[in-house]
Amino acid sequence: SYELTQPLSVSVTLGQTARITCGGNNIGGRNVHWYQQKPGQAPVLVIYRDTNRPSGIPERFSGSNSGNTATLTISRAQAGDEADYYCQVWDSSGGVFGTGAKVTVV
Amino acid sequence: QVQLRESGPGLVKPSETLSLTCTVSGGSVSSGSYSWSWIRQPPGKGLEWIGYIDYSGSTNYNPSLKSRVTMSVDKFKNQFSVKLSSVTAADTAVYYCARDSSGYFAFWGQGTLVTVSS
Repeated sequence: SYELTQPLSVSVTLGQTARITCGGNNIGGRNVHWYQQKPGQAPVLVIYRDTNRPSGIPERFSGSNSGNTATLTISRAQAGDEADYYCQVWDSSGGVFGTGAKVTVV
Repeated sequence: QVQLRESGPGLVKPSETLSLTCTVSGGSVSSGSYSWSWIRQPPGKGLEWIGYIDYSGSTNYNPSLKSRVTMSVDKFKNQFSVKLSSVTAADTAVYYCARDSSGYFAFWGQGTLVTVSS
């Protein structure tokens, strides 16, 4: 089955840029979606189809996807961006989520 | 705006069947544009896709759960449901329902915790 690997944790200084990676075999050939999940809440879609932001998601969130790595970038990080972030793709067997990365803003 | 809400028992005994229902408002489960998924998250762990059902009743299940999962849709009540049989403590999780829009989950329920314990 297809696997997606994310770093366990990412630390970013307030106001700086955080990059969260999602590794998978030739992931560049798939559509990658990203979710933000805060404690006790349901996940929220922040990027779909590699680079698209749903309405209401700040422009500070952007995505890219190439080769074996997809990346979610959070520019000008704010305290409110602290959360778990998950990447997601579809495989022949169904939906696949990444292992999740915890973003801490210091 | 589409809203989803999970409902069902919060406690299930080992070896029994977990049953949950998702009620959809602001949209129709009969829409051919979407499918309807169940996703779960064990305490402190990551997300796991369980499966989906579409408006016609076609299903696709996670291979790791396929032998124990059944999904159904009730167009009249605008609901869809999941049953997971022979549960163990490993099935303890927050269960979410979500709408799948061409591969991504734009709308989620708030989640419901199901604990498997005697």
